[in-house]
Amino acid sequence: QKEVEQNSGPLSVPEGAIASLNCTYSDRGSQSFFWYRQYSGKSPELIMFIYSNGDKEDGRFTAQLNKASQYVSLLIRDSQPSDSATYLCAVNPSTGNQFYFGTGTSLTVIP
Amino acid sequence: EAGVAQSPRYKIIEKRQSVAFWCNPISGHATLYWYQQILGQGPKLLIQFQNNGVVDDSQLPKDRFSAERLKGVDSTLKIQPAKLEDSAVYLCASSLVSRGDGYGYTFGSGTRLTVV
Repeated sequence: QKEVEQNSGPLSVPEGAIASLNCTYSDRGSQSFFWYRQYSGKSPELIMFIYSNGDKEDGRFTAQLNKASQYVSLLIRDSQPSDSATYLCAVNPSTGNQFYFGTGTSLTVIP
Repeated sequence: EAGVAQSPRYKIIEKRQSVAFWCNPISGHATLYWYQQILGQGPKLLIQFQNNGVVDDSQLPKDRFSAERLKGVDSTLKIQPAKLEDSAVYLCASSLVSRGDGYGYTFGSGTRLTVV
């Protein structure tokens, strides 16, 4: 079983702060990593994906990958109340084509 | 571009009854996935199709779940007989390429199943 671990939260941050979401994975050969946002009662939507070690920035979002530590994170700068959602980490392992998802971290941004 | 269409949106059935879900992927997407998301958990892959062939069904409970993708387009997922633990949201997703690189990997709005 390819495991993906996330802190379920809830994580609360004030509006304008940086929210930091973390994820670890068990398959050392995993190739690609994804962050999905899921609003309550809605389907997941892709925010970012990252393949290489280091940082990848897209607007207020930064994904960080450290393959040696088997760790991927998502930073949300200038958090807004509309960012309140569950954030799912997904990993594409070394074999096969499917994604393995974590259980998600619930984020609440307090106005 | 139209998204991934799923129906019904909600379904309530009694245990031991049967139920079927339908999915129509984005036009041209060769790969189709069915995921099960139990409340408070992340989505779990049930089955993956490439065109009309099954790529991975290792986590599909084959004694009660079945799926097909006729003509490589629409797909149906069936549960017979349903158990209480099958209560979940069933998500369909599609992608252009078989490798899940995230690009073009789109989820439908899901079917929320409640088994009572």
